[in-house]
Amino acid sequence: SAVISQKPSRDICQRGTSLTIQCQVDSQVTMMFWYRQQPGQSLTLIATANQGSEATYESGFVIDKFPISRPNLTFSTLTVSNMSPEDSSIYLCSVKGTNYGYTFGSGTRLTVV
Amino acid sequence: DAKTTQPPSMDCAEGRAANLPCNHSTISGNEYVYWYRQIHSQGPQYIIHGLKNNETNEMASLIITEDRKSSTLILPHATLRDTAVYYCIVRAGGVETSGSRLTFGEGTQLTVNP
Repeated sequence: SAVISQKPSRDICQRGTSLTIQCQVDSQVTMMFWYRQQPGQSLTLIATANQGSEATYESGFVIDKFPISRPNLTFSTLTVSNMSPEDSSIYLCSVKGTNYGYTFGSGTRLTVV
Repeated sequence: DAKTTQPPSMDCAEGRAANLPCNHSTISGNEYVYWYRQIHSQGPQYIIHGLKNNETNEMASLIITEDRKSSTLILPHATLRDTAVYYCIVRAGGVETSGSRLTFGEGTQLTVNP
């Protein structure tokens, strides 16, 4: 299955700043997915990133807050903008595997202070 | 995608079988049952999936009832490293279907005790 490299693995940021998270896949994939996992909770899909078109956002998530880039079939970035402590979460990217299920990155643990 | 119901937590003794139940009473005919797990501080990991037949792989077995309204994930010989949150997910299409995403419920926290 696909191997995902996600960076950074963790960061501590000041409120009001922005953080860009990178997701690199070792194979070309059509769809990339960005999830958020708030402390002690399950995963929530933020958006689906398509190469060559605008990302599709889930209810409750907007492009101004979580802009996404998808410049090619192996790479995507998620930016968390104008951060507040409520944005402290683990952010994960995911792709559909070659044969079985979906593969997830190891996540970015973000703490906003 | 159909909603699933899982117990919030379960305990299991090391070396014994862990049987994790999942109810999906509103499942549709084209919806598959997927199981993932998330070990603390890691991304979710695919375990197994099935449509209506029982499935087995090197990690686990999946038993789906005849009416498909519930399923059980079986870890035959649980180890301490199997301690994780286990998610049962129902979604349309098989793995070959592109564009679909996973909707995670709350899952079951399985704790394997020595």
